Amino acid sequence: QKEVEQDPGPLSVPEGAIVSLNCTYSNSAFQYFMWYRQYSRKGPELLMYTYSSGNKEDGRFTAQVDKSSKYISLFIRDSQPSDSATYLCAMRREYGNKLVFGAGTILRVKS
Amino acid sequence: DSGVTQTPKHLITATGQRVTLRCSPRSGDLSVYWYQQSLDQGLQFLIQYYNGEERAKGNILERFSAQQFPDLHSELNLSSLELGDSALYFCASSARDTQYFGPGTRLTVL
Repeated sequence: QKEVEQDPGPLSVPEGAIVSLNCTYSNSAFQYFMWYRQYSRKGPELLMYTYSSGNKEDGRFTAQVDKSSKYISLFIRDSQPSDSATYLCAMRREYGNKLVFGAGTILRVKS
Repeated sequence: DSGVTQTPKHLITATGQRVTLRCSPRSGDLSVYWYQQSLDQGLQFLIQYYNGEERAKGNILERFSAQQFPDLHSELNLSSLELGDSALYFCASSARDTQYFGPGTRLTVL
């Protein structure tokens, strides 16, 4: 079983929809949680990061972490065609070095 | 633009050859991380350097090695290349809590 599970999609939504992307994990030692956006053949771009449990909002993006359920989410409001990309969740331990990534979810926003 | 630079963008080489990938971290960042992204394995951590010293190792093959120089740039050396080494190789740097990725080097082994 992988440490981080993420549905690869693809997830196809109409423009303006609210998108929900999720990851589950098995290692309770993870404390830092991140979401990266990756356009085709480009480097991952950091969107959000959260320490421990809770919510964080930045513009149209909201990240949620539920450590009791080992479940993290990224919500995108008013989705745009430019949001079409692969979204990767990543996490690491408190004093860890490496990021452990999910497989990535392909999102397609149709205009 | 993350501030992390990588060269070259593309590399095409033959099996058995050796290549060097180069990374310059963001200004002020002391840590450099190398990751490999392949279709079947996703993004996998290879190795981390901090201020010139190896700090952590992941699933890095013995044929691969890395180093970080006094000016903090890093190089990833891949030798005895196999077809399965074809992948995107990313470098990331960090100051504190998270990591910022470079644009990557696409390696194709023929």
